[in-house]
Amino acid sequence: QVQLLESGPGLVKPSETLSLTCSVSGGSVSSNTFYWSWIRQPPGEGLEWIGYVYYTGRTIYNPSLKSRVSISMDTSKNQLSLNLRSVTAADTAVYFCAREEATRDWFDPWGQGTLVTVSS
Amino acid sequence: DIQMTQSPSSLSASVGDRVTITCRASQSISDYLNWYQQKPGKAPKLLIYAASTLQRGVPSRFSGSGSGTDFTLTVSSLQPEDFASYYCQQSYATPFTFGGGTKVEIK
Repeated sequence: QVQLLESGPGLVKPSETLSLTCSVSGGSVSSNTFYWSWIRQPPGEGLEWIGYVYYTGRTIYNPSLKSRVSISMDTSKNQLSLNLRSVTAADTAVYFCAREEATRDWFDPWGQGTLVTVSS
Repeated sequence: DIQMTQSPSSLSASVGDRVTITCRASQSISDYLNWYQQKPGKAPKLLIYAASTLQRGVPSRFSGSGSGTDFTLTVSSLQPEDFASYYCQQSYATPFTFGGGTKVEIK
């Protein structure tokens, strides 16, 4: 079965760039039936969809983050990546990667999540 | 953006109770509605997609219904492992959005 695992720094300074990687096992990110998404959850709060990448390289981002975010895919490593620029404390959250079904857009499965704290 | 409003935000229930959570969309989303369960410190888990289709492996005590703007998630007989938070998510249009969550606690 498909498993996803996020990795990256747990602490990022304000104004810097948050960079995370999601490693996928048990399935290929090159599949044409799935998108690969990032979703975040501030501590004690709800879920916010950040965006997705398709194996063609096509990306769709949440307009609320579009000016600062980029999502990419490395098919040779079976990974996807998230970069979020100019971070502030408001970007402190658990970041999840998830596989997104391409026709009806539900998320399954999810990675375990990784907490990123923005602080000097 | 499509706003998703869940109610209640929290509820207390006992094992064996029937529990219903509602989710309302700010515009019609047909049946593009998904439900997730999240336990503390864990990732959300897909329970139901397309408003009423049970994800493989999810117990049949979970059910979903609705279309248009109003949706419900029902647990027919609450079990100890069901105490968690539940989120709805619309997949009708980007940006995909989630409800604020419903925390189901033990009475």
